[in-house]
Amino acid sequence: GEDVEQSLFLSVREGDSSVINCTYTDSSSTYLYWYKQEPGAGLQLLTYIFSNMDMKQDQRLTVLLNKKDKHLSLRIADTQTGDSAIYFCAELYSSASKIIFGSGTRLSIRP
Amino acid sequence: EPEVTQTPSHQVTQMGQEVILRCVPISNHLYFYWYRQILGQKVEFLVSFYNNEISEKSEIFDDQFSVERPDGSNFTLKIRSTKLEDSAMYFCASSEERGVGGELFFGEGSRLTVL
Repeated sequence: GEDVEQSLFLSVREGDSSVINCTYTDSSSTYLYWYKQEPGAGLQLLTYIFSNMDMKQDQRLTVLLNKKDKHLSLRIADTQTGDSAIYFCAELYSSASKIIFGSGTRLSIRP
Repeated sequence: EPEVTQTPSHQVTQMGQEVILRCVPISNHLYFYWYRQILGQKVEFLVSFYNNEISEKSEIFDDQFSVERPDGSNFTLKIRSTKLEDSAMYFCASSEERGVGGELFFGEGSRLTVL
């Protein structure tokens, strides 16, 4: 079946690293994504990773992919208050005509 | 920067009424999508559309729903005979290519409230 699972909440101290985890089900997914949703806004693509990669780094963001365990993570270094949002993990389903989203992880930053 | 625009931003309707949600995708994009997000829940795929026909649809997208690209710029989602459980935020998205090659660009959503 199609399912992408994430924990619902994460709270971190400002300046610390945030790690948001995700598991997915479609082993033939070719692309996996992280989207960010700020309050009242749409979904913004943060980064994506090809399934033949283990890691991708983009400034403060690091994506790790464990294809064997179907586990994806997003690490945000030096978390800032502006990083407060809901982060959605998503996979390009094997049919390639749709992206399936997880339920989102709400990241809150404490001072 | 080009963007996907959606109207209305919020619509309140009575149960049983028909609703049309409108989207203007980015002009050179070829693939179009509707997703919905019931409050506090995950973003759910409804339908993808390419070359004037549906590419794929989910179980949610039953006969109550239809999509259309009436004039080459708008992409609409029609919900016939709305039900209470149709209350959600509906997101339109478009992409230049399929998959990533084509990043999905999302609109800011249309909030539908069915009373």
